[in-house]
Amino acid sequence: SYVLTQPPSVSVAPGQTARISCGGDDIGSKSVHWYQQKPGQAPVLVVFEDSDRPSGIPDRFSGSNAGNTATLTISRVGAGDEADYFCQVWDGDSDLVLFGGGTKLTVL
Amino acid sequence: QVQLQESGPGLVKASQTLSLTCTVSGGAISNGGYYWSWVRQHPGKGLEWIGYVFYSKNTYYNTALKSRVTISVDTSKNQFSLRLSSVTAADTAIFYCARGVRRAYFDDWGKGTLVTVFS
Repeated sequence: SYVLTQPPSVSVAPGQTARISCGGDDIGSKSVHWYQQKPGQAPVLVVFEDSDRPSGIPDRFSGSNAGNTATLTISRVGAGDEADYFCQVWDGDSDLVLFGGGTKLTVL
Repeated sequence: QVQLQESGPGLVKASQTLSLTCTVSGGAISNGGYYWSWVRQHPGKGLEWIGYVFYSKNTYYNTALKSRVTISVDTSKNQFSLRLSSVTAADTAIFYCARGVRRAYFDDWGKGTLVTVFS
């Protein structure tokens, strides 16, 4: 079955750029979506269809997807960006919605 | 943007059936175009899609749970529901209801409800 692989953790200094990867076989052929989840809260959609942002999400959040890796990029990171981030796809072959294991972003 | 609110028992005895309801406000389920979904999260773990229902009552389930899951919709109450049978401690999780767009992504979520299975 299709698997999405994320690094367990990413650390970045304030004001710098964080890049969170999501690996999968030929993931570039799929649409990838990203969620932010802060402790005790529900997930929030931050990027959909690889690189689109829902209304209200700052343009500091961006996404890309090619080959075997999708990437969520957060620029000018601040303490408020500390959270778990999950990638997600719909796999048409198995007709399943799949999530990556999640990445904990720590702002140093 | 719609609001979703989960409700149901926070404790379920092992081998029994877990039942949750999601009440949708700010938009009618019967308007169509969305897939009304359940996602769970084991404590401290990642997200797991359970399944979704379309307003027409078509359903789609995670194959890993399919034998135990039923998702239904009541458009007259603007609610949809989850039933998970034969629960074990491994089913203890936070359960979220969410609105799915084109069977692709989830743009609105409920706050989640913790369900603990006890023996």
